Amino acid sequence: DGGITQSPKYLFRKEGQNVTLSCEQNLNHDAMYWYRQDPGQGLRLIYYSQIVNDFQKGDIAEGYSVSREKKESFPLTVTSAQKNPTAFYLCASRTTQDNQPQHFGDGTRLSIL
Amino acid sequence: AQSVAQPEDQVNVAEGNPLTVKCTYSVSGNPYLFWYVQYPNRGLQFLLKYITGDNLVKGSYGFEAEFNKSQTSFHLKKPSALVSDSALYFCAVRPYFNKFYFGSGTKLNVKP
Repeated sequence: DGGITQSPKYLFRKEGQNVTLSCEQNLNHDAMYWYRQDPGQGLRLIYYSQIVNDFQKGDIAEGYSVSREKKESFPLTVTSAQKNPTAFYLCASRTTQDNQPQHFGDGTRLSIL
Repeated sequence: AQSVAQPEDQVNVAEGNPLTVKCTYSVSGNPYLFWYVQYPNRGLQFLLKYITGDNLVKGSYGFEAEFNKSQTSFHLKKPSALVSDSALYFCAVRPYFNKFYFGSGTKLNVKP
């Protein structure tokens, strides 16, 4: 079945540590996205990529980094510069055909130790 | 600035009654509009979209949504609610290119 796989489902970070969240899709989608979800705030865009080797900052990119070396993969690194990383992180993808919705993975919940 | 508002944090409805989850938006141009549903600890699932044409669009699981251009609204509706509809609902708009803007979500509680 085609879909988006996020791993791990739960992740714990120590102070000063960088952690990387994985997102893989087999839908052959060009565009991929990372969102952060906090209670009562909806989804906020961290980074997005429309094509391999290219990505753009979203509204809350500070303290995060991404890469897009393969079409299928869009990993997100939460760096030590992100002072409040505890949240639910969602990856999404979509074809760049004009009116198509995003498809979402099942998320990674990141907590601070 | 682009924004999407879901004015109700929570909506309570009895099973079998009709439900409405409200969404209004403020974006430039003629955006595409979407509704998604989220169950606990899961990703968002697409329900329906409005692109152009008929103002009433039908989607998955018996949901429909009414687009009103003059009021810049896109309210989600269902004629008869089920307990299994209880979840978090998000409205989203795509004004241009590949960026989407999401509302803050509305928790729907359907009581037996």
